[in-house]
Amino acid sequence: QVQLEESGPGLVKPSETLSLTCSVSNYSISSGYYWGWIRQPPGKGLEWIGTIYRSGDTYYNPSLQSRVTISVDTSKNHFSLTLNSVTAADTAVYYCARIIVTKFGYFDCWGQGMLVTVSS
Amino acid sequence: EIVLTQSPGTLSLSPGERATLSCRASQGVRSSFLAWYQQKPGQAPRLLIYGASRRASGIPDRFSGSESGTDFTLIISRLEPEDFAVYYCQQYGRSPGTFGQGTKVEIK
Repeated sequence: QVQLEESGPGLVKPSETLSLTCSVSNYSISSGYYWGWIRQPPGKGLEWIGTIYRSGDTYYNPSLQSRVTISVDTSKNHFSLTLNSVTAADTAVYYCARIIVTKFGYFDCWGQGMLVTVSS
Repeated sequence: EIVLTQSPGTLSLSPGERATLSCRASQGVRSSFLAWYQQKPGQAPRLLIYGASRRASGIPDRFSGSESGTDFTLIISRLEPEDFAVYYCQQYGRSPGTFGQGTKVEIK
């Protein structure tokens, strides 16, 4: 069973950069599938952030595109998220997940999530 | 972007009852590319249904999905205690993929 685990700082200062990594176990990213990030502000709904393929091709939500970068390191079997110029509105639980069907498909396996708080 | 509107916001039911959750899309969803997820407090969402009506691996057959035009429905035929949670729909037919705002199924 594929497993995903998010890691990174849980507290980021306003205007700085949020950086998270998703480590994948029991499946090689280089074998295929799309991989992505989703976030959920406290008490609110879900928002797709972006997607990456093993080749490095990326697809971002237009609402975040100017601030987001997703990268992949197949040698370490992980992929990463950076979000620049964060504000309190970026406070959320950030999930990584495997994506099925299309580059913005459905998510069949999820990490447990990581709360990132933007605060000085 | 496609907006998904879920109703009702909250559904108060008793174990053993039937739950009917609705998800309406603001425009057509390509190829029935709609999924349903269940989320319990403090947990990641869990995939229940994809392709509008296909159950994900390990999902009990009391969960079923259907579609009619831009209207999608998730039915839980007989609520078990572990089914009380928040349910989200998601369309993945057009970029950006979008989620509904969720329906909470609570114990009456």
